[in-house]
Amino acid sequence: DTEVTQTPKHLVMGMTNKKSLKCEQHMGHRAMYWYKQKAKKPPELMFVYSYEKLSINESVPSRFSPECPNSSLLNLHLHALQPEDSALYLCASSRPGLAGGPREQFFGPGTRLTVL
Amino acid sequence: AQTVTQSQPEMSVQEAETVTLSCTYDTSESDYYLFWYKQPPSRQMILVIRQEAYKQQNATENRFSVNFQKAAKSFSLKISDSQLGDAAMYFCAYRSAGGSRLTFGEGTQLTVNP
Repeated sequence: DTEVTQTPKHLVMGMTNKKSLKCEQHMGHRAMYWYKQKAKKPPELMFVYSYEKLSINESVPSRFSPECPNSSLLNLHLHALQPEDSALYLCASSRPGLAGGPREQFFGPGTRLTVL
Repeated sequence: AQTVTQSQPEMSVQEAETVTLSCTYDTSESDYYLFWYKQPPSRQMILVIRQEAYKQQNATENRFSVNFQKAAKSFSLKISDSQLGDAAMYFCAYRSAGGSRLTFGEGTQLTVNP
């Protein structure tokens, strides 16, 4: 199974709402990533979890709160977002940094988020 | 810091023809990995091909091959016998051997004309 799944596919929320994005993989990967992608732009790294611990936070505003409950699951909790946060949110997974080799990242299909 | 440059924002190719997408990168490291990802309108990023910097042999995956020139810091992607399904945004990406971050280029939008 080389699949990363993300739910929901689409999400529309108001600026006062609280919502969560979910990402799941069953490849035994111990590194998981959240990216934000604007149209026709490359993905921008937001967070990296390695062995269920947050290892990289790219100075993301606190209205985005990641969580890694177990080695297969990654959540992104959203609260008080701004319209400029509207984007495609991609999750990815890979073997972790301690493992050798290319450790290519496998991406999920993304959640299209619209903030009104 | 590493940078990745894709100098062709858009490219087009006729079906069944061959097209080459360019990518250059800047790094002071000797051990790293390079990747080409494809993102069709369906939006899922799909790994096309990867290259280990310590390998001199160019990677090949079916109709996709790379021309890796380490000294020139160049990593181009050749797509042979282009198909309509190859139409997508293509991103070149770099990762240090010991790191987690992928550094992406700005992407090349490939159109395949029937």
